[in-house]
Amino acid sequence: AQKITQTQPGMFVQEKEAVTLDCTYDTSDPSYGLFWYKQPSSGEMIFLIYQGSYDQQNATEGRYSLNFQKARKSANLVISASQLGDSAMYFCAMREVAYSGAGSYQLTFGKGTKLSVIP
Amino acid sequence: ETGVTQTPRHLVMGMTNKKSLKCEQHLGHNAMYWYKQSAKKPLELMFVYSLEERVENNSVPSRFSPECPNSSHLFLHLHTLQPEDSALYLCASSQDYGGELYEQYFGPGTRLTVT
Repeated sequence: AQKITQTQPGMFVQEKEAVTLDCTYDTSDPSYGLFWYKQPSSGEMIFLIYQGSYDQQNATEGRYSLNFQKARKSANLVISASQLGDSAMYFCAMREVAYSGAGSYQLTFGKGTKLSVIP
Repeated sequence: ETGVTQTPRHLVMGMTNKKSLKCEQHLGHNAMYWYKQSAKKPLELMFVYSLEERVENNSVPSRFSPECPNSSHLFLHLHTLQPEDSALYLCASSQDYGGELYEQYFGPGTRLTVT
């Protein structure tokens, strides 16, 4: 089974509107972290936001917020007031602490969602 | 220079060539990583170094050979590659010792084409 599932290959949003990018995850580890990254066409992966499995409140960073529903194993990214510069690939990733060796460092990524912001 | 830098940004090589990718991090981190990003596939972790020592990862073909001479520099030596090795190779760094939940910071990547 996939550990990170992003079901939206592509999304469109009007400039200045909000958009939600979906992410569901699968783990039996009680301690894990969820991350969102943005990848513009230039290639660099830019860290956006982090949510820990024990965090009581949803994470927020500027226009980014994470809608964390632990029981449903979902960690959706919400971008408010979309800007043209938000057009990019967005990746959800998870890190689990239960593993040893290289696995204890591994970020497991989903396949990504391509977001296009329309003027 | 700030963050994580990678050179070259683009590389075209034949299957019999030998080349190296270079990564440098300016963040004072102790762990460095190589990831491979192929079209239509999620990012795959290739190698991890923590405190300049390689953390065991057995699933990468031997035609890829990493080197970490110090905590700021990471190399990926390439030889006798196959066309399916064409991909974006991303370097990342983080401040952790494994089993922790710190974010990783990525460089801009090297776009590799094997002909």
